[in-house]
Amino acid sequence: GDSVTQMEGPVTLSEEAFLTINCTYTATGYPSLFWYVQYPGEGLQLLLKATKADDKGSNKGFEATYRKETTSFHLEKGSVQVSDSAVYFCALSLFNNDMRFGAGTRLTVKP
Amino acid sequence: NAGVTQTPKFQVLKTGQSMTLQCAQDMNHEYMSWYRQDPGMGLRLIHYSVGAGITDQGEVPNGYNVSRSTTEDFPLRLLSAAPSQTSVYFCASRTSGRGNEQFFGPGTRLTVL
Repeated sequence: GDSVTQMEGPVTLSEEAFLTINCTYTATGYPSLFWYVQYPGEGLQLLLKATKADDKGSNKGFEATYRKETTSFHLEKGSVQVSDSAVYFCALSLFNNDMRFGAGTRLTVKP
Repeated sequence: NAGVTQTPKFQVLKTGQSMTLQCAQDMNHEYMSWYRQDPGMGLRLIHYSVGAGITDQGEVPNGYNVSRSTTEDFPLRLLSAAPSQTSVYFCASRTSGRGNEQFFGPGTRLTVL
């Protein structure tokens, strides 16, 4: 079935380090792809999205490119900050509006 | 706009008790859904609704009921709580259509003893 697999955490980085969180998907058809972020004690917020192959989503210094050939949507940021500490979820949305989430990756950034 | 609101924020139940988690949205979204979040498992869809009067099951519907009498409200009912239902529950809403952002409520942390 349709699903999302993302790299397991937790991930711990020093401030200003480069971040990559891997995400791959399995889907019939052409899903839309999303990254959501969850700060402690809060609900999920949309970080960025891409709706077709080769689209790049970007927000707050984070980027991800929809790669149909590798079925991937890896999240990257060139220089992380302490305030980026959160749990990050990769997700896909299907034609019937159903949304499937990965297991989440906890990121901790140390000063 | 308040967005998506959920009540209560925390709840403790005993096995066998029933309760209703409330969810409301003021964005006139057609699509609403309930997820549960468990460690290492991401979010799993419990039930969803594509409009008033229409509901359907998601991945993990057993032990839960929903109804959608208005566009704004989408309550989740636990019929007879079990320890396996200890989780954090999120309600979400979106407009229909591929690629549209889903908005989440702040969550309800439920513990079943």
